[in-house]
Amino acid sequence: AQTVTQSQPEMSVQEAETVTLSCTYDTSESDYYLFWYKQPPSRQMILVIRQEAYKQQNATENRFSVNFQKAAKSFSLKISDSQLGDAAMYFCAYRSRRIYNTDKLIFGTGTRLQVFP
Amino acid sequence: DTAVSQTPKYLVTQMGNDKSIKCEQNLGHDTMYWYKQDSKKFLKIMFSYNNKELIINETVPNRFSPKSPDKAHLNLHINSLELGDSAVYFCASSHTSGNEKLFFGSGTQLSVL
Repeated sequence: AQTVTQSQPEMSVQEAETVTLSCTYDTSESDYYLFWYKQPPSRQMILVIRQEAYKQQNATENRFSVNFQKAAKSFSLKISDSQLGDAAMYFCAYRSRRIYNTDKLIFGTGTRLQVFP
Repeated sequence: DTAVSQTPKYLVTQMGNDKSIKCEQNLGHDTMYWYKQDSKKFLKIMFSYNNKELIINETVPNRFSPKSPDKAHLNLHINSLELGDSAVYFCASSHTSGNEKLFFGSGTQLSVL
């Protein structure tokens, strides 16, 4: 069974600085998808960024980028130029590519990010 | 215009009661899910439905019964509520394709007293 581990329960960053959130996962599959979701106090789950395992190039979305190390099974999220609105819980998630096994996201335990002015 | 809407947002009830949470999506997705987020913020899948057919049931007690009258709706009925059922329940939907993101509802905070 696949597992996702986020070893940092809490992180903090100064506004405008850069922060990296860690995520490791365990799987025997070679093809899968990885996601970072953000959950602000409003509770809404918001997709931040996604990565296909077969792509070597790291995904980027504006100030958000990932460092995907497939051999190490590591998928960290880098937030550049942090803003107060980035404060939230961040969840790393794994999704298999196999038919009908794709029907679930496996989440890590989350990292609470605080942003200080 | 809400993509995935679930009602109610908050639900406070007594132990032993039966309650339902409704979910509707207007995105034309073929797969819908229920996730449970516990007090430690851990999110775990409970059920998934594809075209009204149950695909995943993650060892959830029989007191929880999902019902999908059509592709756009997936309701969650809970019988004989227990204190441990207190959590936030999220509905979500997506296309079956694996890299499609899940669209989540805003969650239902269930408090069992």
